[in-house]
Amino acid sequence: EMQLVESGGGLVQPGGSLRLSCAASGFTVSSNYMSWVRQAPGKGLEYVSVIYTSGTTYYADSVKGRFTISRDNSKNTLYLQMNSLRAEDTAVYYCAREVKYSDFWSGYLDSWGQGTLVTVSS
Amino acid sequence: DIQMTQSPSSLSASVGDRVTITCRASQTISRYLNWYQQKPGRAPDLLIYAAFSLQSGVPSRFSGSGSGTDFTLTISSLQPEDFATYYCQQSYNSPYTFGQGTKLEIK
Repeated sequence: EMQLVESGGGLVQPGGSLRLSCAASGFTVSSNYMSWVRQAPGKGLEYVSVIYTSGTTYYADSVKGRFTISRDNSKNTLYLQMNSLRAEDTAVYYCAREVKYSDFWSGYLDSWGQGTLVTVSS
Repeated sequence: DIQMTQSPSSLSASVGDRVTITCRASQTISRYLNWYQQKPGRAPDLLIYAAFSLQSGVPSRFSGSGSGTDFTLTISSLQPEDFATYYCQQSYNSPYTFGQGTKLEIK
């Protein structure tokens, strides 16, 4: 059974850093596109970052230069290093597996973790 | 970025009703449109991918249609467990973008 378990969230001051982890089981992280999506309190979903099987990464403009997505193949774990955090980064962060469409470069998010809350406040 | 606009933003309906939610893209996205259901305090669940393909395990009362810029999610006969928030998401271009959500409430 596929499972994603996030950890590492918490309260951090503006300008601080956090590293989120997403431990996967039932499939191999490095063989899949893996994404981070966030949801501010009471708001909708925002795509944050993706790492492709090739290792190529993509970031939303709102986090570019501050966040870094990575994976540890030996631990089958996805990470999101978040630096220079701002109040507007406060959100529940979800990791998700992306399954590629059969006929296109992109795909859909078929398996999600339970989320981890990041609160940026002084 | 491609903007996704859902309508309505909220909807009240009764068990047994047929419900349709619309999603419009700011430019053509072919059929690369996905639908998710989210219940309070839970992660989203995939319902429909590539506009009309039903995710495994999702009840057949859910269906999707559309291509280009206009898409719909239909629930043929609402069940109590269907009251939730629904999001569309395009994966035609990076960054992937979500609609603002449609909250489906019990009348």
